[in-house]
Amino acid sequence: DAGVIQSPRHEVTEMGQEVTLRCKPISGHNSLFWYRQTMMRGLELLIYFNNNVPIDDSGMPEDRFSAKMPNASFSTLKIQPSEPRDSAVYFCASSFEGAGYNEQFFGPGTRLTVL
Amino acid sequence: AQKITQTQPGMFVQEKEAVTLDCTYDTSDPSYGLFWYKQPSSGEMIFLIYQGSYDQQNATEGRYSLNFQKARKSANLVISASQLGDSAMYFCAMREGDNYGQNFVFGPGTRLSVLP
Repeated sequence: DAGVIQSPRHEVTEMGQEVTLRCKPISGHNSLFWYRQTMMRGLELLIYFNNNVPIDDSGMPEDRFSAKMPNASFSTLKIQPSEPRDSAVYFCASSFEGAGYNEQFFGPGTRLTVL
Repeated sequence: AQKITQTQPGMFVQEKEAVTLDCTYDTSDPSYGLFWYKQPSSGEMIFLIYQGSYDQQNATEGRYSLNFQKARKSANLVISASQLGDSAMYFCAMREGDNYGQNFVFGPGTRLSVLP
């Protein structure tokens, strides 16, 4: 299995531009998570999908952030317009929610820099 | 209130020695799970070990073991026979309740440096 795939791995953009981050979860997993990691705030859960449905988006910082999961194998996190304070590493993780402990498998992350 | 507390921002250990990384948690839910992840300098998050609140025995995975003290709400990670490759950030995390995925929170992390 290829694991969780994220693209791009690095993104540099200018303030005001739209940014789209992509994630392909592990095949067979039914839950997907978007996290943001910064030095100041650590790892923050932004949104969580179960069976392609957003369950908890209380961590999404503001309306500039939106996330979609049109099918079980693809999700996007969009920032429009982007701001310098959005600079962070964004992780996507997936898990199979069922019997057991539901370990989350993380992607390699996307390092976003907004100038 | 912090759900997960890791009081050691940084730790040093001599190669081949054992080290304990502290984690305390706060929950009123009787059902929860505790996780430890490793993040090396390359940035990826690697799952290490899991402990369920109802598990009777402490979890072990190779050189990793979890010292679970439920009454004290602590879930310390013990790494035996440290290796240079163990140098990384270590995060303790908790999932509360049976609502899969919800209330999954990470601690601030501990940076472990293994000295040759």
